[in-house]
Amino acid sequence: GAGVSQSPSNKVTEKGKDVELRCDPISGHTALYWYRQSLGQGLEFLIYFQGNSAPDKSGLPSDRFSAERTGGSVSTLTIQRTQQEDSAVYLCASSLGPLEGEQYFGPGTRLTVT
Amino acid sequence: GESVGLHLPTLSVQEGDNSIINCAYSNSASDYFIWYKQESGKGPQFIIDIRSNMDKRQGQRVTVLLNKTVKHLSLQIAATQPGDSAVYFCAEIAYGNNRLAFGKGNQVVVIP
Repeated sequence: GAGVSQSPSNKVTEKGKDVELRCDPISGHTALYWYRQSLGQGLEFLIYFQGNSAPDKSGLPSDRFSAERTGGSVSTLTIQRTQQEDSAVYLCASSLGPLEGEQYFGPGTRLTVT
Repeated sequence: GESVGLHLPTLSVQEGDNSIINCAYSNSASDYFIWYKQESGKGPQFIIDIRSNMDKRQGQRVTVLLNKTVKHLSLQIAATQPGDSAVYFCAEIAYGNNRLAFGKGNQVVVIP
């Protein structure tokens, strides 16, 4: 069956531009997570969506970052006025329900800000 | 051998030998732990999990050990294969929390 998909797989953008990253979770998964992974580092939590509840945005590093999830399915992570320190791999994961440890990860979007 | 700075700790192991990867966690309220495997260019993949009411759990070729007294988690891989070469992350979650907290990862290199 289809796993979590993300697009684009790679994105190169100039400093100051806005970018949108897309995540398609596994069908039927109510929980969706965004993480950021810098080179050689672990995963940094960004935001968590669960069903129709208000998202947990506590991991977003600045107000340049925002995310939405439409219809309880597809999610978009938007970074405005990108900075070089935003360069990282952005990973999306979904799980069947809240607090389910077995999160299924997508392949990630590698963002490079020049 | 180990690396420091921006490089991940690296474990080099001969094919067929057993591997042990260690992880220390800091939150004594964490009650659920997971090991993930991440191959180059891919997202993390679930390997095995363990709840805090257990101290050992076995899967296929893998065993996770949990020592809550010293807040230590380990992953043992039996008969390591070339396909086991990857970065391994431990992750923890505390009851009532929404997020997994990931460790920095350990690179495993299997020597054929």
